[in-house]
Amino acid sequence: GAVVSQHPSRVICKSGTSVKIECRSLDFQATTMFWYRQFPKQSLMLMATSNEGSKATYEQGVEKDKFLINHASLTLSTLTVTSAHPEDSSFYICSASGTADYEQYFGPGTRLTVT
Amino acid sequence: AQSVTQLDSHVSVSEGTPVLLRCNYSSSYSPSLFWYVQHPNKGLQLLLKYTSAATLVKGINGFEAEFKKSETSFHLTKPSAHMSDAAEYFCVVSKNSGGSNYKLTFGKGTLLTVNP
Repeated sequence: GAVVSQHPSRVICKSGTSVKIECRSLDFQATTMFWYRQFPKQSLMLMATSNEGSKATYEQGVEKDKFLINHASLTLSTLTVTSAHPEDSSFYICSASGTADYEQYFGPGTRLTVT
Repeated sequence: AQSVTQLDSHVSVSEGTPVLLRCNYSSSYSPSLFWYVQHPNKGLQLLLKYTSAATLVKGINGFEAEFKKSETSFHLTKPSAHMSDAAEYFCVVSKNSGGSNYKLTFGKGTLLTVNP
């Protein structure tokens, strides 16, 4: 149980375009979802926390207008990188947690490359 | 505030020898501590977690970790390394029991290399 999926697993987009990444909890209701960013050979940095039906809470230094997060249902959260630039290229990982044990279950990640 | 320090960025062992990955934490609260493993271009898998129960925690794949409050440490060990253990390992601290609104703070990671 407690499976989290992400789609797409890899995406390449041109500079200036927007790209949407989906995070789904497949077998449980995720009251909270987290979005992380991981640069090569570095640790995960929390970008934002979203509770279903509420606005996301962004970490300091993360531009909320650039990284749009929607958590409209208990099984789906989306991260949209708007007007992407090469410096946005990174590995984006989501996690989801429910009320059963509050543990965070991680998705497999999405590799974004902006050319 | 909470933080976690992984003392080694890279550990190299021979197959069949013990593994020790070191982690020290700092927390103003009674912490929950986790070890996650990440294989290349993959998501994170939980190895084990400590949530104020037994101080010696056994996880998957033969890994275990001991919570030592006096030393503020949570080192990860395994008696005998396998080639499949080669991966990045993250020590993580949470303020409480990993509650849905409690953030995880990640260490910088330790890359484990296993030599044949």
